[in-house]
Amino acid sequence: SAVISQKPSRDICQRGTSLTIQCQVDSQVTMMFWYRQQPGQSLTLIATANQGSEATYESGFVIDKFPISRPNLTFSTLTVSNMSPEDSSIYLCSAKKGVYSGPTNEQFFGPGTRLTVL
Amino acid sequence: KQEVTQIPAALSVPEGENLVLNCSFTDSAIYNLQWFRQDPGKGLTSLLLIQSSQREQTSGRLNASLDKSSGRSTLYIAASQPGDSATYLCLTGGGNKLTFGTGTQLKVEL
Repeated sequence: SAVISQKPSRDICQRGTSLTIQCQVDSQVTMMFWYRQQPGQSLTLIATANQGSEATYESGFVIDKFPISRPNLTFSTLTVSNMSPEDSSIYLCSAKKGVYSGPTNEQFFGPGTRLTVL
Repeated sequence: KQEVTQIPAALSVPEGENLVLNCSFTDSAIYNLQWFRQDPGKGLTSLLLIQSSQREQTSGRLNASLDKSSGRSTLYIAASQPGDSATYLCLTGGGNKLTFGTGTQLKVEL
């Protein structure tokens, strides 16, 4: 398994500012992902964080709004830029350990960062 | 595009009852299906993972089944306890294109 921690656990931010969320995994993982969970909703994949290259974004999410870094196999950051109240959500980091996205490759999640934008 | 639906959206049962949560998916080309629980204000805890070649997995009071041909998975919880109260989510898909279900909010009352 993999234990994932996130910082901060929660924050209240002003409109127009940016927040960087950190994700640390206790062991090397092949894949890291960022999800968003809006109030009362299920989770939506924002992007796949690729080590040493630009993240792969899902439809509806762009790099200018959600820049992502992944400098090594255990760490990633997600920045929420130029925030508005609509960005108020829980942001979760996730990881997979396997080399391939095969049937046995379990996905693990961090505790989430609860963001409120005023 | 994979669509994953969970029924019911919310469920309230008395302690001790056996219950079934359902997860339906539209694209059967999946690698596996994973069940999670999410406690209020917390992250996700992985409960069970069923590979696409498997029919079921068991862990303690939990049993998850998978029927790819009909696009369904069920999570069976035996002898439910108040500590089982949480939101249950299924996650499935192929490769890294995984989709979460809509979730079932479970409340087990004393």
